[in-house]
Amino acid sequence: SAVISQKPSRDICQRGTSLTIQCQVDSQVTMMFWYRQQPGQSLTLIATANQGSEATYESGFVIDKFPISRPNLTFSTLTVSNMSPEDSSIYLCSVEVTGLTEQYFGPGTRLTVT
Amino acid sequence: QKEVEQNSGPLSVPEGAIASLNCTYSDRGSQSFFWYRQYSGKSPELIMSIYSNGDKEDGRFTAQLNKASQYVSLLIRDSQPSDSATYLCAVNRALPFSGGYNKLIFGAGTRLAVHP
Repeated sequence: SAVISQKPSRDICQRGTSLTIQCQVDSQVTMMFWYRQQPGQSLTLIATANQGSEATYESGFVIDKFPISRPNLTFSTLTVSNMSPEDSSIYLCSVEVTGLTEQYFGPGTRLTVT
Repeated sequence: QKEVEQNSGPLSVPEGAIASLNCTYSDRGSQSFFWYRQYSGKSPELIMSIYSNGDKEDGRFTAQLNKASQYVSLLIRDSQPSDSATYLCAVNRALPFSGGYNKLIFGAGTRLAVHP
């Protein structure tokens, strides 16, 4: 498995502002994933971040709203831009351990937009 | 039709009983299947993975896979109150041009309540 940390663990933000969420892994991984979990809902994949290339976004998610950086094999950031109350969710990063199909999740960032 | 379907529950079982959680999926190309446990306010925790037809046992947990029926299940024996959580079923989908990596498609989850 992998040990994954996220910062911040939670935040309360005003509408129209942006928040950058950091995800750090204790080992080198090729693929990192960003998910959103809205209250009472399951996980929805936002994008896949492969080191050295542009992130790949799922249908319904766009780079202008959710820019992602992946500067090296242990770190990634997700920015939630121009936030509205509908962006209030838990944001989770996960990694696929190289050579396995299993994904492991970070502790999540609980975002509330007022 | 949803890609991964689960009964949302709640599934209520008495302590010591067997809890049976079910999941169906639509993509016959799926090869990898996972069960995650998510406690309220926590992130999902991988508890079982299964890749071939049949049963896979790990402690009190047994995962069962039937690719012909596109069905995967999780049995929890001797259920404990600490097993009360939401159980998420996930199946893989290959990422194109990624060199063999996959994304996961999650079901809505089944809430399990184990009562003393």
